[in-house]
Amino acid sequence: GAVVSQHPSRVICKSGTSVKIECRSLDFQATTMFWYRQFPKKSLMLMATSNEGSKATYEQGVEKDKFLINHASLTLSTLTVTSAHPEDSSFYICSADPGVGGAFGTDTQYFGPGTRLTVL
Amino acid sequence: AQSVAQPEDQVNVAEGNPLTVKCTYSVSGNPYLFWYVQYPNRGLQFLLKYITGDNLVKGSYGFEAEFNKSQTSFHLKKPSALVSDSALYFCAVRDRMNRDDKIIFGKGTRLHILP
Repeated sequence: GAVVSQHPSRVICKSGTSVKIECRSLDFQATTMFWYRQFPKKSLMLMATSNEGSKATYEQGVEKDKFLINHASLTLSTLTVTSAHPEDSSFYICSADPGVGGAFGTDTQYFGPGTRLTVL
Repeated sequence: AQSVAQPEDQVNVAEGNPLTVKCTYSVSGNPYLFWYVQYPNRGLQFLLKYITGDNLVKGSYGFEAEFNKSQTSFHLKKPSALVSDSALYFCAVRDRMNRDDKIIFGKGTRLHILP
């Protein structure tokens, strides 16, 4: 149990294009999903908190118009990097929170495998 | 506001020796504490957590961690290291009194197990 998938796992795009990354909780419902960005040999930087049916909450310094987040259902959140530039190249990781008590009793978030974005 | 410190960027341990990865935390109330492991180009995998109860918590792959309230520490340990334990380890904290608070991650400690 507690599987979170991300698609695609890798994407290479040209500068100026938009890229959509999907995050799905496969065997549980997640009222809250989180999007992180990880630079090489660095820790996770929380970008935004996504709640189903409402607007995402962005961390300070994260451009909400550039990183569009949609949490359309209890099992799916998407991150769209709009007008991508080389500096947006990074490893993007999502996580899903099954809620109080946890679907699996661990009271923690479950992470997707990550998406490596390379912008040329 | 909560915070997590992992004082070591890298830890080197010989295979078969015990390992410790250090973590200290700061939180206004009582903490939820977590350890995650990340292998290259992969997402994070949950190892173990402390919520309440016994201070010694056992988790996946033979890892354990000890919650020490007086020292505000939650060090990760394993009695006998394996080469396959080489990875990036993250300690994380969440304020138990405000469960809606996000999980805060430490900067990570890279563990190298030497054959």
